[in-house]
Formats: sequence, C-alpha cells, structure tokens
Amino acid sequence: SQQGEEDPQALSIQEGENATMNCSYKTSINNLQWYRQNSGRGLVHLILIRSNEREKHSGRLRVTLDTSKKSSSLLITASRAADTASYFCATDAGGYSTLTFGKGTMLLVSP
Amino acid sequence: DAGVIQSPRHEVTEMGQEVTLRCKPISGHDYLFWYRQTMMRGLELLIYFNNNVPIDDSGMPEDRFSAKMPNASFSTLKIQPSEPRDSAVYFCASSGTNLRGYTFGSGTRLTVV
Repeated sequence: SQQGEEDPQALSIQEGENATMNCSYKTSINNLQWYRQNSGRGLVHLILIRSNEREKHSGRLRVTLDTSKKSSSLLITASRAADTASYFCATDAGGYSTLTFGKGTMLLVSP
Repeated sequence: DAGVIQSPRHEVTEMGQEVTLRCKPISGHDYLFWYRQTMMRGLELLIYFNNNVPIDDSGMPEDRFSAKMPNASFSTLKIQPSEPRDSAVYFCASSGTNLRGYTFGSGTRLTVV
C-alpha cells in the first residue's frame, strides 16, 4: 500500500508564481523525500528531510516537515515552464525498509 | 557514471509472449529495485535486491513474474507469459547502503496487445 498521499492531484500556475504541494503520511518515518518525474522519464531525487528537521532549502525548493501532523510540503518559488512535471513524496520508515511513494502531484507551469 | 541503464526503452509484444526487461545499476550501489507504474495504481514496488540477493518479492503480481540479479551490474525482470494487464512502465532503481535517495532509470514502456 502507498503511504504518502500528495495534494493536490494537479496544479496549474503561471511562470513566476509559487507552487505548493502537500504530502500526508500515516506511520512514523525516518526521513521523507521528494522526487520529480518529467513526462516519459524516470524519477529524479530532489531533496531529503530527516524526521528531526523542520525545514530544508535547495535552490528554489523549500521543504517543510511536521511530524506531529504527519505532513510535508514542497514549495517551488518563482516557477518556470521547465518545472512542469509530476512531483512525488516518498517516506522512509528507517531500518531496512524501502521507500513508499505517493501517487504524485502533476504540476503545469504555463509561460 | 551513466546512471541506471534500462533496456529496451519500449517493448510491444503479443499476449502470451515472454518479455525480458534489463537493468544495469549504478556501480557501487548495493540495492536494486524494480517498480511498475500505471495511472491507476501509481508506483508499485515489485521486488528488491541487496548485494544481488532478493530480499522482498511480495510485490510481484504472480508467478508469471520473475527477477534475477546474477551479478552486481545486471538484473532482469521476466514476464512469461505476458498479458495485456501487464502493460505499464517498468522502472529499475538503485541505491547505496544508506538507502537514501534512489536513482531511477528511464524506464521500459511495455505494451502487451
């Protein structure tokens, strides 16, 4: 079963706007990761946030994690048409567990 | 490193035929994963290996699916006989010992007619 659930399922914005995607999960995690998938391609790892971290930045990406609410958000600032892709959160329960992926948010950034 | 390499990129086959998907993980990665992606079910883990040994194959749909990893640089996923419901994109991914970020291949788009 898939633990991460992204919200919204689809998001359409204009270039220059910010895009926010949310992820909720059900059980305790060791870390949470976000991936991007361009059409017809494999998933690409974007950023990892550990369970004891609350916020992390990488370029135009900002990830927050609230373990009390079992939720995370991914913010892309000043979006570009090239950011058009599907974005997935994945949870790592630690130990020898594998990542569990959500169904993703499809982001469309129009020029 | 060229990343995770999968072949073929596209495969169209007739129902009942055998299909073999191939994967070359990143050198030095201890873990190899096979995923299947469909619109309806999203990304599903089929099986994963650690140091060439299958660890968990509970995601393999049925006996028609089998996977092998004869050495650290090569893995195959075989479907025999194939059925139309097997149509999907199959991804291979690899990861280092710390199981942090996964590196995915570009996938094999399988169509069974």
